[in-house]
Amino acid sequence: KAGVTQTPRYLIKTRGQQVTLSCSPISGHRSVSWYQQTPGQGLQFLFEYFSETQRNKGNFPGRFSGRQFSNSRSEMNVSTLELGDSALYLCASSLLTSYNEQFFGPGTRLTVL
Amino acid sequence: AQKITQTQPGMFVQEKEAVTLDCTYDTSDPSYGLFWYKQPSSGEMIFLIYQGSYDQQNATEGRYSLNFQKARKSANLVISASQLGDSAMYFCAMREGDMRFGAGTRLTVKP
Repeated sequence: KAGVTQTPRYLIKTRGQQVTLSCSPISGHRSVSWYQQTPGQGLQFLFEYFSETQRNKGNFPGRFSGRQFSNSRSEMNVSTLELGDSALYLCASSLLTSYNEQFFGPGTRLTVL
Repeated sequence: AQKITQTQPGMFVQEKEAVTLDCTYDTSDPSYGLFWYKQPSSGEMIFLIYQGSYDQQNATEGRYSLNFQKARKSANLVISASQLGDSAMYFCAMREGDMRFGAGTRLTVKP
């Protein structure tokens, strides 16, 4: 069974631009969560989607948004990029939600110049 | 408020010895899940072990076991017979709706 895939793996943007990251969960998994990892703040939860509905949202500004499609694939969008948005963005999928183990993708390394 | 605390920024262990990585958590919800993940230098997050708040027995997965002390809100990871490939960052996480991660412990296994 294929694992979680994330595209692109690396991305360089400039301040003020917007970016869209994509995540394809493991086949059959219906829950997708997004995390931001930085050296200073560690791993922080962005949001979780289940069956195309946002179930939980972390403490991030409205510039960060996401969606999930009917095939469970998910995208996250960051508008008006700031230097502090430079991070590793991890996507994780789980079979259902709440207490199932999550399987992580390799991440997208975003650099904002 | 900090919900997951990992008090050991770095740990060293001799190859083939056992090591315990500490994790304490804070929640008033009776239903939650506790996880440990490993993150090697390559960046991927690898699931290691899971403990449900209602599980009566400590979880075990191969060389990994979780020492779950519910009253103390403690969920320590024990790695037995350490291997060089165990050198990585280890994160404790709790799920009660969203997922919260601790700051991590960097484990270095010495030959």
